[in-house]
Amino acid sequence: GDSVTQMEGPVTLSEEAFLTINCTYTATGYPSLFWYVQYPGEGLQLLLKATKADDKGSNKGFEATYRKETTSFHLEKGSVQVSDSAVYFCALGLANKFYFGSGTKLNVKP
Amino acid sequence: IAGITQAPTSQILAAGRRMTLRCTQDMRHNAMYWYRQDLGLGLRLIHYSNTAGTTGKGEVPDGYSVSRANTDDFPLTLASAVPSQTSVYFCVSSDSAVTDTQYFGPGTRLTVL
Repeated sequence: GDSVTQMEGPVTLSEEAFLTINCTYTATGYPSLFWYVQYPGEGLQLLLKATKADDKGSNKGFEATYRKETTSFHLEKGSVQVSDSAVYFCALGLANKFYFGSGTKLNVKP
Repeated sequence: IAGITQAPTSQILAAGRRMTLRCTQDMRHNAMYWYRQDLGLGLRLIHYSNTAGTTGKGEVPDGYSVSRANTDDFPLTLASAVPSQTSVYFCVSSDSAVTDTQYFGPGTRLTVL
């Protein structure tokens, strides 16, 4: 069935380090792909999205490219900040259903 | 302020009691969803509604029911709560297509004793 797999956390980085959080998907059709971020005590917020192969979503310095050949949508940021500390969820949308990964907790130390 | 409101914010409930979690959105979105979030299990879809008057079952529907009498409201009812229903519940809305953003409510933290 349709699903999303993302790397387990927590991921701990120093400020200004490079971030990669891996996400791969399995889908029976042509899904849209999303990254959401959740700050403590809050609901999820959309970070970025891509609706077709080779699209690149970007927001707040984060980027992810929809790679159909590798069924991946890895999240990257060149220089993380302490304020980026949160839980990040990869998600897949297809046929009016959404599937979320289990989340990756990011801790950024000053 | 436009968005999704949920009530209550948190609740402690005795097992066997009936509970309704309320959700209202003012964005006139057609689709609404209920998810539960549990540590280590991520987000799991309970029920959804693609438009007013219709509902569907998600991944973990047992023990829960929903109704969608109008566009704005999408209550979730636990007919007889059990401890395994202890979780954080998020109400979500989006416009019709799956390419659209899902907007999350602030969540309801439910503890069933």
